[in-house]
Amino acid sequence: EVQLVESGGGLVQPGGSLRLSCAASGFTFSSYEMNWVRQAPGKGLEWVSYISSSGSTIYYADSVKGRFTISRDNAKNSLYLQMSSLRAEDTALYYCAKGDIAAAGIPFDYWGQGTLVTVSS
Amino acid sequence: DIQMTQSPSTLSASVGDRVTITCRASQSINTWLAWYQQKPGKAPKVLIYKASSLQSGVPSRFSGSGSGTEFTLTISSLQPDDFATYYCQQYNLYSFAFGQGTKLEIK
Repeated sequence: EVQLVESGGGLVQPGGSLRLSCAASGFTFSSYEMNWVRQAPGKGLEWVSYISSSGSTIYYADSVKGRFTISRDNAKNSLYLQMSSLRAEDTALYYCAKGDIAAAGIPFDYWGQGTLVTVSS
Repeated sequence: DIQMTQSPSTLSASVGDRVTITCRASQSINTWLAWYQQKPGKAPKVLIYKASSLQSGVPSRFSGSGSGTEFTLTISSLQPDDFATYYCQQYNLYSFAFGQGTKLEIK
């Protein structure tokens, strides 16, 4: 069974930093793309970042480019999101999501339950 | 960047109704479009990918169509479990933008 478990969320002051993690199990992590998606309270879904299976290809949404860094450790079956220069508008539930575009054409086939990031003074 | 626009934003319908949600892309995305269902407090679930392919385990009352810039999600006969928010998503060029969502409510 595919499982994605996010952690690392919490309350942080504007301008601060936070590192999110996503622990993956139930599939061969090193073979699949991974993503971060966020959802502000009561709002819609916003894609944040993508990383290819090897980590060689990375994309970011314009809203986080230059402030957030996605990475992965295939030996540890883990995905990360380093967030810096945080703003109030970054407050959201952050989901990690597995992708399978290369083989099946499915962008996000499994999701975690999310970790909440609150940016406030 | 490619923008995705869904309509309507809210849809009121009854059990047994046939409903259609529309999604428009600001430029052609071929068939690189997915549909998701999200219920309150839960993570989204993929229903349709590549515009018209039904994800494994999703009931056949859900269907998707379209290509280029205009797409639809159709639920042929609404069931009580289908009342939720639906999002389209493009995955064409270097981004994975979502539409703003359509909340499907019980009439």
